[in-house]
Amino acid sequence: DIQMTQSPSSLSASVGDRVTITCQASQDIANYLNWYQQKPGKAPKLLIYDASNLQVGVPSRFSGSGSGTHFTFTISRLQPDDIATYYCQQYDDFYSFGQGTTLEIK
Amino acid sequence: QLHLQESGSGLVKPSQTLSLTCSVSGGSLQNGIYSWSWLRQSPGKGLEWIGYIYHGGSTSYNPSLQSRVTMSVDRSQNQVSLKMYSMTAADTALYYCARSSLSVFDTWGQGIMVTVSS
Repeated sequence: DIQMTQSPSSLSASVGDRVTITCQASQDIANYLNWYQQKPGKAPKLLIYDASNLQVGVPSRFSGSGSGTHFTFTISRLQPDDIATYYCQQYDDFYSFGQGTTLEIK
Repeated sequence: QLHLQESGSGLVKPSQTLSLTCSVSGGSLQNGIYSWSWLRQSPGKGLEWIGYIYHGGSTSYNPSLQSRVTMSVDRSQNQVSLKMYSMTAADTALYYCARSSLSVFDTWGQGIMVTVSS
């Protein structure tokens, strides 16, 4: 099994801040990584695929980078609508998700 | 616009079988580049992929659940179904169906809460 570890597990930031979340894979997964956003009471929504590609319709303030075992998800300027939990997901060996990072506004 | 809707038994007794259906509208199951996945989410286990099925019936299951899961497709009704056997309290979760490719889950249903309790 490939384990995905996100940090931090929760994060408080101000509107306009740059926010970064990291995801560590337990083994090399190349760029086989996606990022999702989940708002309360809603299903997850795909934001970034293949580590760094923005899904159609997703604002450009969201970005992703990394390969191998270390990945980063960034919101360049935090907006109130970005309050959510964010998950990474690998697809190198079946599919598994990180435990999530809950983002709050300060 | 593609829409997925889960339905089925929200309350299951321990040791019994869960049966869920995912109805697909605004698109066809028969687009061969996509598979149709079931996932679940619980406070204890987070997001967990259960398995997927293609319109032709080929399946892939999470190895940790494979012995207890069966998926099927009804092309005439544009539906996919999930059966999970020998349910326990640990299977209490929000269950989702989602359209999947080899890599992503790009469209999700709203989810259905399943509680395992006597």
